[in-house]
Amino acid sequence: QVQVVQSGAEVKKPGASVKVSCKASGYSSTSFYMHWVRQAPGQGLEWMGNISPDGSTNYAQKFQGRLTVTRDTSTGTFYMELRSLRSEETAIYYCARSAMITLGGVLVGPDAFDIWGQGTLVSVSS
Amino acid sequence: DIQLTQSPSFLSASVGDRVTITCRASQDIRGNLAWYHQKPGKAPKLLISAASTLQSGVPSRFSGSGSGTEFTLTISSLQPEDFATYYCQQLDSLITFGPGTTVDI
Repeated sequence: QVQVVQSGAEVKKPGASVKVSCKASGYSSTSFYMHWVRQAPGQGLEWMGNISPDGSTNYAQKFQGRLTVTRDTSTGTFYMELRSLRSEETAIYYCARSAMITLGGVLVGPDAFDIWGQGTLVSVSS
Repeated sequence: DIQLTQSPSFLSASVGDRVTITCRASQDIRGNLAWYHQKPGKAPKLLISAASTLQSGVPSRFSGSGSGTEFTLTISSLQPEDFATYYCQQLDSLITFGPGTTVDI
């Protein structure tokens, strides 16, 4: 069964860092992208960044310098670390898998997100 | 960055209605657009990729069309389980989600 399972809820103070994990199972985790998306209460979806099958990373401009996405290929676990948290960053953080789009054997980019984690609530409050 | 707008932002409909949601991109994204829906307390679910490719297991009442900067999601006959928030997503240059369209009774 293909699934991604995230770590549990976190409570952090402003200025702190949070590291959320996402364990993939039922498929080869190094053959797919893993993305991180967040959703503040009552708000829409915001893409944060990803790690590609070759291990390279891409981040949305607003998170450059504060966000690090990594993976442990031995366990199929992915991590999202966000530093210098602000209270307005209280949100549900999701990981989501996507396949690669290739053209003539060349990696073009990620496909749509077909498998999502259950979400991790990160609360930021003093 | 590529921006996406969706219209309408809110839609009141009834079971059996035909519903159309529009997504517009700030620049040409070719066919690199996906549609999701999300119910309260749940993760989003992929409905359509590459503008018009229906995902396995998604009912055929859902369809997508468009290319370039204008795209549509159509639900041919709204069912009770379709009341949700719908998001478009561009994957042409990094990734962006639209603001969402809530379909309610």
